[in-house]
Amino acid sequence: GAVVSQHPSRVICKSGTSVKIECRSLDFQATTMFWYRQFPKKSLMLMATSNEGSKATYEQGVEKDKFLINHASLTLSTLTVTSAHPEDSSFYICSARGSGTSGSVVDTQYFGPGTRLTVL
Amino acid sequence: DAKTTQPPSMDCAEGRAANLPCNHSTISGNEYVYWYRQIHSQGPQYIIHGLKNNETNEMASLIITEDRKSSTLILPHATLRDTAVYYCIVRVANSGYALNFGKGTSLLVTP
Repeated sequence: GAVVSQHPSRVICKSGTSVKIECRSLDFQATTMFWYRQFPKKSLMLMATSNEGSKATYEQGVEKDKFLINHASLTLSTLTVTSAHPEDSSFYICSARGSGTSGSVVDTQYFGPGTRLTVL
Repeated sequence: DAKTTQPPSMDCAEGRAANLPCNHSTISGNEYVYWYRQIHSQGPQYIIHGLKNNETNEMASLIITEDRKSSTLILPHATLRDTAVYYCIVRVANSGYALNFGKGTSLLVTP
């Protein structure tokens, strides 16, 4: 239990285009999901907290108009990188907060496999 | 959340126990110790967490000192697939807040 998926696993796009990344909790409901970004040889950095049915909370320095987050259901959150530029190239990872169902431990975060974004 | 300190890297021979230390001297009474690991180019994987008692699951054991100022994650029989970065994170229970990742310990398991 407690599986989180991400799609796509990797994407290459041209500068100026928008890219959508999906994060799904496959076997449990998650009222809260988190989005992280990781640059090479660095640790994960929290970008935003996404609560189902409400606006995301962004960390300081993260542009909310550039990184659009939608959490429309208890199993799906999406991150859209708008007008992507080469400096947005990174490894994007989502996580879902366990709800105590389907083998998920309450309040434990379960991570997706990540999405490698390359902007040319 | 309290700050944690981990050695940047460790080596372990395959088949031996890997003991990964973590210092969290400013931990509060309502903060849990979580351990995650990240294998190269993958998302972090939950390993174990505890408050004050020692914990064991199918992956590892967590030993927390009586004063809760430090802990040790034990992989009883390390395999090559255990090579990863291991993160020790202290966090208030049931806060709903995100995990804040430090630099972790890069564990290399050698044949």
